Amino acid sequence: RKEVEQDPGPFNVPEGATVAFNCTYSNSASQSFFWYRQDCRKEPKLLMSVYSSGNEDGRFTAQLNRASQYISLLIRDSKLSDSATYLCVVNKGSNYQLIWGAGTKLIIKP
Amino acid sequence: DVKVTQSSRYLVKRTGEKVFLECVQDMDHENMFWYRQDPGLGLRLIYFSYDVKMKEKGDIPEGYSVSREKKERFSLILESASTNQTSMYLCASSLLGPLAKNIQYFGAGTRLSVL
Repeated sequence: RKEVEQDPGPFNVPEGATVAFNCTYSNSASQSFFWYRQDCRKEPKLLMSVYSSGNEDGRFTAQLNRASQYISLLIRDSKLSDSATYLCVVNKGSNYQLIWGAGTKLIIKP
Repeated sequence: DVKVTQSSRYLVKRTGEKVFLECVQDMDHENMFWYRQDPGLGLRLIYFSYDVKMKEKGDIPEGYSVSREKKERFSLILESASTNQTSMYLCASSLLGPLAKNIQYFGAGTRLSVL
């Protein structure tokens, strides 16, 4: 079993729609959680951290469910520019190593 | 803004050559990391370093070594390149601080082809 699992997609979504991704992780000792975005042939960049109480940043909402060990990302009113691969990232227990999901590809269509 | 600079965007090397990939960060970060990224596999950690002259093996260190002589610079060395080391190599850095703020910043990547 992979340490961080994501549906690879692609998710083909019309512009303006709402889309949600989930990610599951296996290490119950993980303490920090992130969503990164990676555009084609570019480096990953932080989209948002994920906090225990859930958090929102504009059109993006992240949720953490520690009991079930999953993280979600919700994108509302999707834009063409949201097309990218979204990487779920979890720290490895109590140290600075991060474990990366293989990513979910999102394609927003006009 | 954090800047992480990798010395080359594209490299083509021959099997058996020694390859050096250089990474420099300008934000005084303690932690530095080398990953490789292959389609469908996500980022896999090769080596990381928490301080000058310190290094730790990641998940796939075989065939690689690293050097950190200065805080801002972390080098990845392929002692004898092989075709299965053809990949995208990404360098990252982060601050030594609370885990919740353990954000990694990446260089633009080096796409290495070994022929």
